[in-house]
Amino acid sequence: SQKIEQNSEALNIQEGKTATLTCNYTNYSPAYLQWYRQDPGRGPVFLLLIRENEKEKRKERLKVTFDTTLKQSLFHITASQPADSATYLCALSGGSYIPTFGRGTSLIVHP
Amino acid sequence: DAGVTQSPTHLIKTRGQQVTLRCSPKSGHDTVSWYQQALGQGPQFIFQYYEEEERQRGNFPDRFSGHQFPNYSSELNVNALLLGDSALYLCASSLVQGPTGTQYFGPGTRLLVL
Repeated sequence: SQKIEQNSEALNIQEGKTATLTCNYTNYSPAYLQWYRQDPGRGPVFLLLIRENEKEKRKERLKVTFDTTLKQSLFHITASQPADSATYLCALSGGSYIPTFGRGTSLIVHP
Repeated sequence: DAGVTQSPTHLIKTRGQQVTLRCSPKSGHDTVSWYQQALGQGPQFIFQYYEEEERQRGNFPDRFSGHQFPNYSSELNVNALLLGDSALYLCASSLVQGPTGTQYFGPGTRLLVL
């Protein structure tokens, strides 16, 4: 069955450092991979979408890589700030465009 | 520009009852999807509505049903509530012809079943 794995343990980093979150998947050939941010008690907020034929995508301080051979995506936040503290969800979708979400990784940026 | 809105924000029900949750999509969006998010888990797709019809459905029993109105707003109905139905219910809207897979989520309705 399809499986999406994100680190269940929270990632703690110091302000100003680069945060790197990992999303691994198995038994899946997604056409699209998305990253969302979710704050406690709120709905997810779309951040970035990357297609299977794209290796890297950037948006301001965010960078996403997509390696379909390794079946892995890395999500980077450079110059992290305490306001970046949240849960980050990885979501995969195929031709139906319906995303399948991972459980998310909590990021805590310490001042 | 109003984003996705959902009502109510919180709800407490008892086992066996029925519940209706409501969603208004982002202005200009014509497609509404519903998700269930249990504590500590990612959202799970329930179903999607477009042109007032259920277009796709996830692995949820028939107790979960929905409706989309001509103004694109939507309802999620859950019958015969179980304790396990306690979760955050999220509505997401998108534009079928828009950027692939991009969905805008509402704040959710927190349902507690006692």
